[in-house]
Amino acid sequence: EAEVAQSPRYKITEKSQAVAFWCDPISGHATLYWYRQILGQGPELLVQFQDESVVDDSQLPKDRFSAERLKGVDSTLKIQPAELGDSAMYLCASSPQFGGGAPDTQYFGPGTRLTVL
Amino acid sequence: GNSVTQMEGPVTLSEEAFLTINCTYTATGYPSLFWYVQYPGEGLQLLLKATKADDKGSNKGFEATYRKETTSFHLEKGSVQVSDSAVYFCALLQGGSEKLVFGKGTKLTVNP
Repeated sequence: EAEVAQSPRYKITEKSQAVAFWCDPISGHATLYWYRQILGQGPELLVQFQDESVVDDSQLPKDRFSAERLKGVDSTLKIQPAELGDSAMYLCASSPQFGGGAPDTQYFGPGTRLTVL
Repeated sequence: GNSVTQMEGPVTLSEEAFLTINCTYTATGYPSLFWYVQYPGEGLQLLLKATKADDKGSNKGFEATYRKETTSFHLEKGSVQVSDSAVYFCALLQGGSEKLVFGKGTKLTVNP
């Protein structure tokens, strides 16, 4: 069964350093999502891509976070500089289609757990 | 804005006990409602869903009914197993949107 891949699974970094997370969605999935899940809370959407275009980045802290999906396949989420409050699980999800696709078809990866010291 | 409120955990039960996890929502119109499950060290998996009032979603012995009059979508299972130990998230999707709004999650531990 196809799965969403994420790497690394765990990342420890120091405050003010740069970090990057990678996501490879299920093959053929046009829509890709990055969520942030703070310990003890539910995931919150950071950014949504349709192919290579950003559809929604209203909750992305753009002063330090950036995301790209250059060829409309895999995606990278970057934080520079990292702050203590960025410690969280970063989840990637993908779905087959946008705007008419069944909402239950968001498939989640295992996540990257970030710890900022 | 849209929001989801779940009962606070953690919930600890003995094997074969009855489970209820309460979920209520605030939204305009007619959202779709979901329960996701997150096992330790893993991503979220869709457990069940309902897309309109009075729909009942079910999977793996879990059930939830979309109650518009009480804006609720409570999760139930008649007999839990140790393997059901996980964190359960209630979520909604507003019509016309692709953005899931999650509750804070409820951690369930089932003891043998």
